[in-house]
Amino acid sequence: DAKTTQPNSMESNEEEPVHLPCNHSTISGTDYIHWYRQLPSQGPEYVIHGLTSNVNNRMASLAIAEDRKSSTLILHRATLRDAAVYYCIREAGGTSYGKLTFGQGTILTVHP
Amino acid sequence: ETGVTQSPTHLIKTRGQQVTLRCSSQSGHNTVSWYQQALGQGPQFIFQYYREEENGRGNFPPRFSGLQFPNYSSELNVNALELDDSALYLCASSSGTSGFQETQYFGPGTRLLVL
Repeated sequence: DAKTTQPNSMESNEEEPVHLPCNHSTISGTDYIHWYRQLPSQGPEYVIHGLTSNVNNRMASLAIAEDRKSSTLILHRATLRDAAVYYCIREAGGTSYGKLTFGQGTILTVHP
Repeated sequence: ETGVTQSPTHLIKTRGQQVTLRCSSQSGHNTVSWYQQALGQGPQFIFQYYREEENGRGNFPPRFSGLQFPNYSSELNVNALELDDSALYLCASSSGTSGFQETQYFGPGTRLLVL
């Protein structure tokens, strides 16, 4: 079971930081955490991924708890374009490599 | 680098018919995955192809089948359409060289409506 738990929705104001939480309490040692987002009328788009250490890229930062049972996607300055459904995905190892199991995600609303 | 494209964008079929959806992966990407996304839900994994061979399947019946071609294109075929097959169908490609933790590049999807 590769399920993760996310809040159904969150709201933010433009140019403020956003912290999107994700629980993955049954994660195993070789499972990666991926974040994808889906803008309206588009396919999902890769945001970031990590295993144990915190990760940064031009889009966001990923903070992974020391016990790896939770993680937080951080958008440093939200823009209107960041309004989307954000999916936290646990990629299981072994034969499940590359087969992403999406949950329902968090709907992020960004107010001007 | 061109993106992942899918055709058609929209499709209407009636129950019992068959449908073929097409995907063109990014050049050099050996792996293609197909997902079904019902309205208001996250995408659900259907199956994955690597170098023209099926490489894993989700919880979907055999009437969902696929093909992958050497030119980085692929097809999803659904036979005996049911009303519940109405959904957005997404394909995603990746390079397939390092296995897991690879970025998947999704197409815009094909919206299928079964009446």
